[in-house]
Amino acid sequence: GAGVSQSPRYKVAKRGQDVALRCDPISGHVSLFWYQQALGQGPEFLTYFQNEAQLDKSGLPSDRFFAERPEGSVSTLKIQRTQQEDSAVYLCASSIRLAGAYEQYFGPGTRLTVT
Amino acid sequence: TQLLEQSPQFLSIQEGENLTVYCNSSSVFSSLQWYRQEPGEGPVLLVTVVTGGEVKKLKRLTFQFGDARKDSSLHITAAQPGDTGLYLCAGAGGTSYGKLTFGQGTILTVHP
Repeated sequence: GAGVSQSPRYKVAKRGQDVALRCDPISGHVSLFWYQQALGQGPEFLTYFQNEAQLDKSGLPSDRFFAERPEGSVSTLKIQRTQQEDSAVYLCASSIRLAGAYEQYFGPGTRLTVT
Repeated sequence: TQLLEQSPQFLSIQEGENLTVYCNSSSVFSSLQWYRQEPGEGPVLLVTVVTGGEVKKLKRLTFQFGDARKDSSLHITAAQPGDTGLYLCAGAGGTSYGKLTFGQGTILTVHP
């Protein structure tokens, strides 16, 4: 398809497990963002990639969160030793622009539930 | 830290009514976006406003950016049940690459 895709769409993890969430951006989009959205809230910024370079990771809530985009296309958000407070929808967005990439196209999200 | 206050948080109206959603901040934004999100889906971009005082219309939706680029509003005329959803404002500012700060969202329900 032509849009941003994310997998899995739903993930249930037991507390303490590691999870990996995948994002396939729109082809040719150089900017990629990850956001975390709690139930009933707006998304909150986690991290930003420009091609393969992670230029901003200021929103990652702890060192258990790690993101990569090794070839400047697909990105993976990894959460180690999941905690209940990690339960949220994780959204990926991409943009064709480098500077001023504020018009972002979002994927459907991965809903993570930590039990 | 840039914050966006969105109001109201919930809005329940009858079909045919008009409504306005507000998005306010003490910070200046270089641009402001409005998104609509349906359950189980990601936000979908409705409009971008970049110039202070700018007004954009999209069918029954009217978007306005404040003169000082600190606030915005979304007005829907003659709401329809298909307008039901979560409306989010998001501002870009403080970085060169377009990092977005989102409001808390407004859950709109339009009853037939």
